[in-house]
Amino acid sequence: AQTVTQSQPEMSVQEAETVTLSCTYDTSESDYYLFWYKQPPSRQMILVIRQEAYKQQNATENRFSVNFQKAAKSFSLKISDSQLGDAAMYFCAYRSGGADGLTFGKGTHLIIQP
Amino acid sequence: DADVTQTPRNRITKTGKRIMLECSQTKGHDRMYWYRQDPGLGLQLIYYSFDVKDINKGEISDGYSVSRQAQAKFSLSLESAIPNQTALYFCATSRGLAGYTGELFFGEGSRLTVL
Repeated sequence: AQTVTQSQPEMSVQEAETVTLSCTYDTSESDYYLFWYKQPPSRQMILVIRQEAYKQQNATENRFSVNFQKAAKSFSLKISDSQLGDAAMYFCAYRSGGADGLTFGKGTHLIIQP
Repeated sequence: DADVTQTPRNRITKTGKRIMLECSQTKGHDRMYWYRQDPGLGLQLIYYSFDVKDINKGEISDGYSVSRQAQAKFSLSLESAIPNQTALYFCATSRGLAGYTGELFFGEGSRLTVL
């Protein structure tokens, strides 16, 4: 079974600075997807960014970017110019191609210091 | 209006009661899922369905049952609720093979407290 590990239960960063959240995963498959979801206090799960494993180029969405290292099975999220609205739980998730649901990490609580 | 709607949003019940959480979607997706979220544990898959005739157990299905009444509706039942089923429950959908992008689209969650 696939596993997803987020080794940082909590991170804190000053507003306007850059922070990187770590995620590693374990799989024997070659076709899969990786995601970062954000869960603010409203508890809604919001997709931040998606990466297809077959794509070598790292995904970017505005201030959010990933560092996808396929051989190392690492998928970190970088948030640039942190804003107060970025404060949330962040979940890394894995999905094999064509399979049944996502496997989630336990989450990282991101605190933004004003 | 939300594309994936869960009812109720919050519920407090007593041990032994039967509880149903309902989910409906307007996204036209074939695949629907129920997840449970506990603090510090992330989200765990309870059940999923690829169409009305296809129901599958996830990693933590014991104590739960589901019903896919229509393509757009997927309900989760706790036949006899117990306190350790206190959690936040999410319904989610995804596209089928056509237009598959892998991501799940979540409802706003149903917080269940079992006393």
